[in-house]
Amino acid sequence: AQSVTQLDSHVSVSEGTPVLLRCNYSSSYSPSLFWYVQHPNKGLQLLLKYTSAATLVKGINGFEAEFKKSETSFHLTKPSAHMSDAAEYFCVVSDRGGGADGLTFGKGTHLIIQP
Amino acid sequence: EAGVTQSPTHLIKTRGQQATLRCSPISGHTSVYWYQQALGLGLQFLLWYDEGEERNRGNFPPRFSGRQFPNYSSELNVNALELEDSALYLCASSLLNAGWAFFGQGTRLTVV
Repeated sequence: AQSVTQLDSHVSVSEGTPVLLRCNYSSSYSPSLFWYVQHPNKGLQLLLKYTSAATLVKGINGFEAEFKKSETSFHLTKPSAHMSDAAEYFCVVSDRGGGADGLTFGKGTHLIIQP
Repeated sequence: EAGVTQSPTHLIKTRGQQATLRCSPISGHTSVYWYQQALGLGLQFLLWYDEGEERNRGNFPPRFSGRQFPNYSSELNVNALELEDSALYLCASSLLNAGWAFFGQGTRLTVV
């Protein structure tokens, strides 16, 4: 069975400071991991994905995440926050091939950017 | 290139009525997925269609159904609406067995 835990329900940072959104996963197999972002009243946008290639994954809008198998973590980072980064972020795990019906979503982290 | 498009954006229905939600996948994608995002419940998988066939369904009652058309667009039907069906319904598309998907903007269904 697979599961994902987003360690913070809310994260607040000042504009221009680093962002860290934490995600731990549990998987019986070699997982694929994703981060999606959801802006208010919008759908989900894929930020980045890890599918067993390089462990440091670069995504859109300056975000990146590092897959650490020993720590079962896939934390999302950004060097400098921008006001437009304010949104809900979802860490997602899939430990089987096939369709996207096997995605398990975390409960989300609400990122607040202070001016 | 157009992304996944959903219509309508918002839908208000009365308890007991039927709702129909529509989705157009990204060009070239054959798989369409439906997810429900209800307040407090997170994102839950509803249905997966590929090449016109239902590939899998989540833990939802039979009054949630759908279909996929020859042009790969899809429709989600919810019969006998209940108040707790109020949610954001997200459609996603991908190539077959891609393991992940692109999501649309969602349809906000409100049942009153």
